[in-house]
Amino acid sequence: ETGVTQSPTHLIKTRGQQVTLRCSSQSGHNTVSWYQQALGQGPQFIFQYYREEENGRGNFPPRFSGLQFPNYSSELNVNALELDDSALYLCASSPPIGTTSSYNEQFFGPGTRLTVL
Amino acid sequence: AQKVTQAQTEISVVEKEDVTLDCVYETRDTTYYLFWYKQPPSGELVFLIRRNSFDEQNEISGRYSWNFQKSTSSFNFTITASQVVDSAVYFCALSESADRGSTLGRLYFGRGTQLTVWP
Repeated sequence: ETGVTQSPTHLIKTRGQQVTLRCSSQSGHNTVSWYQQALGQGPQFIFQYYREEENGRGNFPPRFSGLQFPNYSSELNVNALELDDSALYLCASSPPIGTTSSYNEQFFGPGTRLTVL
Repeated sequence: AQKVTQAQTEISVVEKEDVTLDCVYETRDTTYYLFWYKQPPSGELVFLIRRNSFDEQNEISGRYSWNFQKSTSSFNFTITASQVVDSAVYFCALSESADRGSTLGRLYFGRGTQLTVWP
C-alpha cells in the first residue's frame, strides 16, 4: 500500500510568482487536507477537499486555492507569493467516513518545502 | 474554539534522563481526540498516539507514556530513559469528532516542543 506522496520536495520561488504543489492520497482515501507549517510553528490548517469539493477552510486568503481530482489526488495553488509563504506544506489524506469509529484519521505526506525569495 | 498550548518551547536533557512534554488544550466539544506527533529534522510528521475524550486511562508504549487528565485539560507525554534518537520536535494536536459533520478530522496543533537529548 502506497502512502501519501507529495511533489516537489523542495521549491524556490520569488515574490509575486505562482506555485502549484501536488499530493497523491493514500489508496482508498477520499479526503485530502493541506497544512502550512512556518518555521518554528505548528502546522496550520489551510483547507480540506472531500469528493472534489472544498470542505472547510482555515484562516488563509483566497490566493490559496486547491483542487481535488477524481482519483482523489490534490493540488494546492498559491498566487502572488509573499515572503511569509515560505514554509513546509503538508498534505494529509483520510479514509472514507465510517472506516474507523467516529474519527477521520489523517495520514501525512513528507511535505514540500517552499522558499520564497 | 479549539486551542492547544505547549508552553515548553525547548527542552534539553542528557541521555537516560526522563523528560515530560506538557500539553494543555481547550475545546467545547464533549467528543474529541488528542494526538502526539514527532517531527524529526526530515520534516515528516510521525504519529505517536491518539486518545479519545472518553478514555482517560494512561497509556505506556515502551519508553513512552501518556497522562490524560480531563479535569485539567492536559495530555502530557513522558519519555523515560531518553536517547539521542528522541531528539525532534514534538507536537500535541486536537481534533473534533467526525460525527459533527464539519471539516473531517481537522487537526489543531500546538507550537511544538523542541527536544534535544545530549549524549
